[in-house]
Amino acid sequence: NAGVTQTPKFRILKIGQSMTLQCTQDMNHNYMYWYRQDPGMGLKLIYYSVGAGITDKGEVPNGYNVSRSTTEDFPLRLELAAPSQTSVYFCASRLDNNSNQPQHFGDGTRLSIL
Amino acid sequence: TQLLEQSPQFLSIQEGENLTVYCNSSSVFSSLQWYRQEPGEGPVLLVTVVTGGEVKKLKRLTFQFGDARKDSSLHITAAQPGDTGLYLCAGNTGGFKTIFGAGTRLFVKA
Repeated sequence: NAGVTQTPKFRILKIGQSMTLQCTQDMNHNYMYWYRQDPGMGLKLIYYSVGAGITDKGEVPNGYNVSRSTTEDFPLRLELAAPSQTSVYFCASRLDNNSNQPQHFGDGTRLSIL
Repeated sequence: TQLLEQSPQFLSIQEGENLTVYCNSSSVFSSLQWYRQEPGEGPVLLVTVVTGGEVKKLKRLTFQFGDARKDSSLHITAAQPGDTGLYLCAGNTGGFKTIFGAGTRLFVKA
């Protein structure tokens, strides 16, 4: 039972490069989320999706894009990497809109922009 | 903007000591969750509290939701090195969105 799987675990990018952070879940969850975690700042919501074909901006969406073509996959794309995007990125999923349900997190992608 | 403030930010204690971590907000939440995160991993849910005044116990951990559903506390009795980690509280207002606190980093020395 894999749960939420994120790849890669680590990546170093140069300023201006682009990349896609992959996230897949095998729990048939409708809701998926991307967060970034910076030291002492908690988890900030970047984008979320309530189902295949539906995405919306969270708290800090600038510089990122997402897509949700299937229930399982929710990739996050950085088009022009900037040093401010150095962070640890977490993907999470939840079964439905019942907020008492837990969010299930991947193990994160540690991204450095140099 | 809804905020969840956690205190203390960092706590270093000896094995066997007791501790309490606080999570406060000016907003009312429909439920509140506590997660624990270890280095190199994502947060994992410990508990969800829903009713004002609710108390839940998980072995040596006791969680309480404030009567007004604006705050919560986590008390650990006789802390062990295995309790070391980042403790995050998360408030839900219903629907899709969850607000996370910045976390309390706990280090328990043997």
